[in-house]
Amino acid sequence: QQQVKQSPQSLIVQKGGISIINCAYENTAFDYFPWYQQFPGKGPALLIAIRPDVSEKKEGRFTISFNKSAKQFSLHIMDSQPGDSATYFCAASIGNFGNEKLTFGTGTRLTIIP
Amino acid sequence: EPEVTQTPSHQVTQMGQEVILRCVPISNHLYFYWYRQILGQKVEFLVSFYNNEISEKSEIFDDQFSVERPDGSNFTLKIRSTKLEDSAMYFCASSRTGRGGTDTQYFGPGTRLTVL
Repeated sequence: QQQVKQSPQSLIVQKGGISIINCAYENTAFDYFPWYQQFPGKGPALLIAIRPDVSEKKEGRFTISFNKSAKQFSLHIMDSQPGDSATYFCAASIGNFGNEKLTFGTGTRLTIIP
Repeated sequence: EPEVTQTPSHQVTQMGQEVILRCVPISNHLYFYWYRQILGQKVEFLVSFYNNEISEKSEIFDDQFSVERPDGSNFTLKIRSTKLEDSAMYFCASSRTGRGGTDTQYFGPGTRLTVL
């Protein structure tokens, strides 16, 4: 019940296209859903995050869509660029003060081709 | 911009040996975490630490593991007797508060542990 399922495992998108990565969760106690971006040899870095009280959050070319009833959320990268090539992890946590462990998805390796 | 630092970047050890992985969290952060990532797999939570004690630990964090904040800046993960399956990338993270909905966990670059 603590799992976060992520798909696809890998994704190849042409430059300028839209990259879409999907995640699903079971535990309805999750109330914080961040996306992390990881480049080779680096630690995960927060990209964008959403709380379940909104259905969409946009920051620049990155958008999270959230469907509370379906327990699904997705990351959309508009106008994908070669510099977006990285591994993306969705995650979820429960908002108990002092207990903010992140449960990560399995990751999506995104490759943007010219 | 402040960042979490970790040393060493790569540690090679023999099975059964003790290793200590070191982290320097961001200076005004109060919550500290260790995660690990086995090659090609997802990032997994190990332990969270606040006010000089463990807040939560996963089933992975057994008696072979311990954490310590020996001074005002370092946060360490000790593995007493390493096993082959401990080979992984270990990430330290810190946050200013424990409230994930309003705060961010910042990750260090990781220490790659190789157990031979």
